[in-house]
Amino acid sequence: DAGVIQSPRHEVTEMGQEVTLRCKPISGHDYLFWYRQTMMRGLELLIYFNNNVPIDDSGMPEDRFSAKMPNASFSTLKIQPSEPRDSAVYFCASTLVGHNEQFFGPGTRLTVL
Amino acid sequence: AQSVTQLDSQVPVFEEAPVELRCNYSSSVSVYLFWYVQYPNQGLQLLLKYLSGSTLVESINGFEAEFNKSQTSFHLRKPSVHISDTAEYFCAVSYADKLIFGTGTRLQVFP
Repeated sequence: DAGVIQSPRHEVTEMGQEVTLRCKPISGHDYLFWYRQTMMRGLELLIYFNNNVPIDDSGMPEDRFSAKMPNASFSTLKIQPSEPRDSAVYFCASTLVGHNEQFFGPGTRLTVL
Repeated sequence: AQSVTQLDSQVPVFEEAPVELRCNYSSSVSVYLFWYVQYPNQGLQLLLKYLSGSTLVESINGFEAEFNKSQTSFHLRKPSVHISDTAEYFCAVSYADKLIFGTGTRLQVFP
């Protein structure tokens, strides 16, 4: 298996622009998690899905952030409009029910100028 | 609610020296515990995990951790570190469907 796939690996955009981050979980996994990592705040859970349904989005910082999972093999995290304070590395992770170990993707490094 | 405390934000050590990275957790129920490693510009990788059974768990690259229920700890140790062990290490505890991560410990190994 290729593992969790994220795209793009790097994104540089200007303040006010829309940003879309993409994730393909490991085939067969039914949980998908979105995290944000910064020096100041460490690793934060933003939202997670079970069987494509959002379960807990309490970590989403504000309405500018939205996430979808239209099918079992694809999820997006969208920021609109983006702000410089959104600059971070965004990770996607997946796991199988009953297995607590999460498998992480390589991350998307977002820079908002 | 579950929480994880990693007391040391940075641990500098010389190559071939022993190291211990400390992790304490708080939980009112049985827990599963994990150590993840993050090398520069990469995602997190599972290093080892405790689910049940033997309280001492080992990784393939020489790390070990011991689950201590009375002290609510899951410290990570290695008797002799290598330059290649330089990375960020995260302790995590399971909580419902999620993992609760500590703030991380940066291990810096010097030659």
